Amino acid sequence: QQQVKQSPQSLIVQKGGISIINCAYENTAFDYFPWYQQFPGKGPALLIAIRPDVSEKKEGRFTISFNKSAKQFSLHIMDSQPGDSATYFCAASKNNNDMRFGAGTRLTVKP
Amino acid sequence: DAGVTQSPTHLIKTRGQHVTLRCSPISGHKSVSWYQQVLGQGPQFIFQYYEKEERGRGNFPDRFSARQFPNYSSELNVNALLLGDSALYLCASSRDGDTQYFGPGTRLTVL
Repeated sequence: QQQVKQSPQSLIVQKGGISIINCAYENTAFDYFPWYQQFPGKGPALLIAIRPDVSEKKEGRFTISFNKSAKQFSLHIMDSQPGDSATYFCAASKNNNDMRFGAGTRLTVKP
Repeated sequence: DAGVTQSPTHLIKTRGQHVTLRCSPISGHKSVSWYQQVLGQGPQFIFQYYEKEERGRGNFPDRFSARQFPNYSSELNVNALLLGDSALYLCASSRDGDTQYFGPGTRLTVL
């Protein structure tokens, strides 16, 4: 069922560094691309989302870069903090339905 | 406003039994989606309901069913439980299906 491939599987970054997580999708009908953050024992929380008519969206320390021709999008976390340590999921959906998630990236930010 | 609520928090069942999971969406949200998250993987789409009508269904067997009530709350039912149904079941609500807000999930263990 997975149509969204996410990498890397795990990532270790020093405090203050930049965390970069990448996703690739297959279905060109996808029109909504969110990123979710999940802490152990909790449900995913929406971080930031983008639609394919823009190439970049920034909210605070979080930026999505979107490359429609390559069918790829990425999450950049600037000035990474230990509190950012969590699992991050990219996702994609079409017509506000049937959201497909990547397998997740476990981010560890070392102090 | 209260977020998405799910009940119960945890549930232990034996193979062959039936289970009902419940979800209350954020006030004003008319769409509810259900996901299954196996440990270490991304959420897998099961169903989406909008205005009490099924809008989408993922690749799950007919043992899985759901419904949405006039107050927009929802139930997910799973019959003839298998060991492989052990997972975190997540409910997400949205106004129209795109920006989805997740509940904390119900942890189902099948013995």
